[in-house]
Amino acid sequence: GENVEQHPSTLSVQEGDSAVIKCTYSDSASNYFPWYKQELGKRPQLIIDIRSNVGEKKDQRIAVTLNKTAKHFSLHITETQPEDSAVYFCAASGGLTGGFKTIFGAGTRLFVKA
Amino acid sequence: DTAVSQTPKYLVTQMGNDKSIKCEQNLGHDTMYWYKQDSKKFLKIMFSYNNKELIINETVPNRFSPKSPDKAHLNLHINSLELGDSAVYFCASSQGQDQPQHFGDGTRLSIL
Repeated sequence: GENVEQHPSTLSVQEGDSAVIKCTYSDSASNYFPWYKQELGKRPQLIIDIRSNVGEKKDQRIAVTLNKTAKHFSLHITETQPEDSAVYFCAASGGLTGGFKTIFGAGTRLFVKA
Repeated sequence: DTAVSQTPKYLVTQMGNDKSIKCEQNLGHDTMYWYKQDSKKFLKIMFSYNNKELIINETVPNRFSPKSPDKAHLNLHINSLELGDSAVYFCASSQGQDQPQHFGDGTRLSIL
């Protein structure tokens, strides 16, 4: 079935630095790749997403890139701020193998030090 | 104004009891989900319904039974609760399988 691997599991950066989180997926038919941010004790919330017909998407300090050939996609956060500290989940969906369900990565705990 | 609301927010109960969690969405979405998030924060899909029809049923003990009376509601009933059921359960909805999901605030289930 579909599998999504996410790295690193923990990431600590200094305020103002960039943070990069990487994911790989196994089902080449996956066509939708959302990223969710979950603050402590809160619900996951969508921060950005990308579809398989696009290679890159940017929204202010957040960008996502997709390499369909390598089945990799990455989240880039620039000029990190303490409020960026949270757990970030990548996900892949729309694939045939996984029965069209959304598969989440294991999450990356991001710490931004002031 | 809450888009996806689930109740209760906290549920503390003893092993062996039966409990239900309710979920409602006012977004007009066709698809609803239940996820289990364990202490390591891993989000695991349990069930998914599309227009009241079950479309995803992961390897979940049959003590867990979802019910969707209409496409705006997806409830989760759990029989004979076990210690390993302790987790946060999230309800979510989306317009389709390849669309953004909107999550509820979660139900923290603690089994004594």
